[in-house]
Amino acid sequence: DAGVIQSPRHEVTEMGQEVTLRCKPISGHDYLFWYRQTMMRGLELLIYFNNNVPIDDSGMPEDRFSAKMPNASFSTLKIQPSEPRDSAVYFCASSLEKQVYNSPLHFGNGTRLTVT
Amino acid sequence: AQTVTQSQPEMSVQEAETVTLSCTYDTSESDYYLFWYKQPPSRQMILVIRQEAYKQQNATENRFSVNFQKAAKSFSLKISDSQLGDAAMYFCAYRSRDDKIIFGKGTRLHILP
Repeated sequence: DAGVIQSPRHEVTEMGQEVTLRCKPISGHDYLFWYRQTMMRGLELLIYFNNNVPIDDSGMPEDRFSAKMPNASFSTLKIQPSEPRDSAVYFCASSLEKQVYNSPLHFGNGTRLTVT
Repeated sequence: AQTVTQSQPEMSVQEAETVTLSCTYDTSESDYYLFWYKQPPSRQMILVIRQEAYKQQNATENRFSVNFQKAAKSFSLKISDSQLGDAAMYFCAYRSRDDKIIFGKGTRLHILP
């Protein structure tokens, strides 16, 4: 089990550019979550999917943010256009359904995004 | 909507002593799940302990245990015999009936040698 894989590990971009973050969940996991971590706001839930379908995107801050899950093994989080206030660590996490021994989240290593 | 509150932004404890991190949550649900995660400087998120709300018995994992008070909506984490490797950010998390998982803002724990 390779765990949740995120890429890139670090991303530095200029304001106005498009940024795409990628995530491969653990095989067989039903749920995929995207979080943003900042000092001020902690870990914020942006969006989560169940069986590739978005369930709740109420945490997506603006229309500049979009997320997709075209299949069970891949998801993207896109920011277009990016702004300096988007600088943060973005985590992807996956999980089985909770009835499976109170399945916890398994996190990727995160992408540190810096927008200059 | 559910919320998770960690009222202690930072705490310190002497090595080998015991420390308790607090977490409260607000919910109208009766069936839910709670977690504590640890985030060391490496940025990795590590599961520490988990608790099902329908279980009255408090979860324990080696030196880590919880005090789950359902009526008070409280879920504190106790770390016994604190070690230098316990220094990290600790996050409390709530998983709702519809599987939404939200986190508190975290408590930074310092271990004093």
